[in-house]
Amino acid sequence: EIVLTQSPATLSLSPGETATLSCRASQSVSSYLAWYQQKPGQAPRLLIYDAANRATGIPPRFSGSGSGTDFTLTISSLEPEDFAVYYCLQRTIWPPELTFGGGTKVEIK
Amino acid sequence: EVQVVESGGGLGQPGRSLRLSCTTSGFTFGDYGMNWFRQAPGKGLEWVGFIRTKTYGGTTHYAASVKGRFIISRDDSKSIVYLQMNSLKTDDTAVYYCARDLVRFLESTGFDPWGQGTLVTVSS
Repeated sequence: EIVLTQSPATLSLSPGETATLSCRASQSVSSYLAWYQQKPGQAPRLLIYDAANRATGIPPRFSGSGSGTDFTLTISSLEPEDFAVYYCLQRTIWPPELTFGGGTKVEIK
Repeated sequence: EVQVVESGGGLGQPGRSLRLSCTTSGFTFGDYGMNWFRQAPGKGLEWVGFIRTKTYGGTTHYAASVKGRFIISRDDSKSIVYLQMNSLKTDDTAVYYCARDLVRFLESTGFDPWGQGTLVTVSS
C-alpha cells in the first residue's frame, strides 16, 4: 500500500500570506494525485486533480505541482475562507487502490 | 444541477448489516464510476470502494479494511448506487460519503460532486 505523508500537520498563517503544503508518497504515483479541501461539518471539495489540474470553479490562487513522489499545493494570498484542512489523495491503477494523506490544517495565525 | 445524496445511515449493531443509498440526479448516471469514502469522528478520510460503469464491466474494488464485508452495487435505471455493509464492526463508525468520478468513462483522482454524508454508528 502506498503511504502519503503530508507536512506540516498544521500551518499557522495570516490572510494574504502564501501557504505551501507538501505531500510525499512512499513510492511513485506518477501524476495520480489530487488535493481536497475540507471545512468542519462539510464534505471534501476537489481543488486539484491529477497533480496540476484545477477543478472547475477553483480560484487561480490554488495551484498544484509535482510528480512521482513529491507534490505541493500552493495557496497564494490566503483568503479567510481558505482556512481549512487539506488532504492529498493518490490513485493506483493496479491493484486499484486509493489512499489519503493524514491532512494539513491551515489555521489563522 | 448535478447532485448526489446519501441516505440510510443510523445505528447498526456489531455483526449486523446496514445498506446505504446514494441517489443522484443531473447527469447520465450510467456514464460515471461511483465511489464511497468514509471519515471516522475526528479522523481523516478513508477510501471504501468504487464501482465502474457497465461499459467497463461494472467491476468493484474495495479497501482492505472492508473487503469481504461490504458490497457496492448500482442501479442505472434509478441512478442509485448502494453500499451494503455486512458484519459491521465498531471501527466502521463514520460519516459515509458518496462521490462521482469527475470525468465520464475516465478514472482519475478527481471526484466531484460529493454528497453531504450520512452517519453510521456501530454500537451495541
